[in-house]
Amino acid sequence: NAGVTQTPKFHILKTGQSMTLQCAQDMNHGYMSWYRQDPGMGLRLIYYSAAAGTTDKEVPNGYNVSRLNTEDFPLRLVSAAPSQTSVYLCASPRRGSGIQPQHFGDGTRLSIL
Amino acid sequence: EDKVVQSPLSLVVHEGDTVTLNCSYEVTNFRSLLWYKQEKKAPTFLFMLTSSGIEKKSGRLSSILDKKELFSILNITATQTGDSAIYLCAEQGAQKLVFGQGTRLTINP
Repeated sequence: NAGVTQTPKFHILKTGQSMTLQCAQDMNHGYMSWYRQDPGMGLRLIYYSAAAGTTDKEVPNGYNVSRLNTEDFPLRLVSAAPSQTSVYLCASPRRGSGIQPQHFGDGTRLSIL
Repeated sequence: EDKVVQSPLSLVVHEGDTVTLNCSYEVTNFRSLLWYKQEKKAPTFLFMLTSSGIEKKSGRLSSILDKKELFSILNITATQTGDSAIYLCAEQGAQKLVFGQGTRLTINP
């Protein structure tokens, strides 16, 4: 039971390039979300999905997601900009009764030059 | 807009000291208040509080929620160097987590 798995761990992009960050969970929960973490600013929600086939955006532009199945929630940077340099964290709760806390993957550290 | 504020932002103490970290929140549709510890990688879950006044405890760490005054505290007694980390507080509403800025705790030997 791996929980939440993110790949890659590190990546460097040039401005204007596109890239997909992968997130997979084996906890069989409908809810998944993406956050970015920047120094001194805590974690900020980018996108979330309540179930396969649905997604909701929190921040404008620059990112796309898809949720074709319960396990995977990839995040795509359409045309990378230096302002998107950050650590990206994917989260999902474990399946269970009542309110469940969210658990995080190890993150992807992304640098855009 | 939902908001979570942590204090202090940074704290340096000596091993063996007791520390109290603070978290206040202003949110709609409150469901739970969570504490996480973050060292080098992912935040790891510590506590989830849903009812006011109930203390959650795990070893030297404990936390309590005051839903009337809209705050929570995380207490660490007999601190050790391994407690050095960023401690994150988050409110879990209907659809998302709203995080505070975090408290960077450093324990000196």
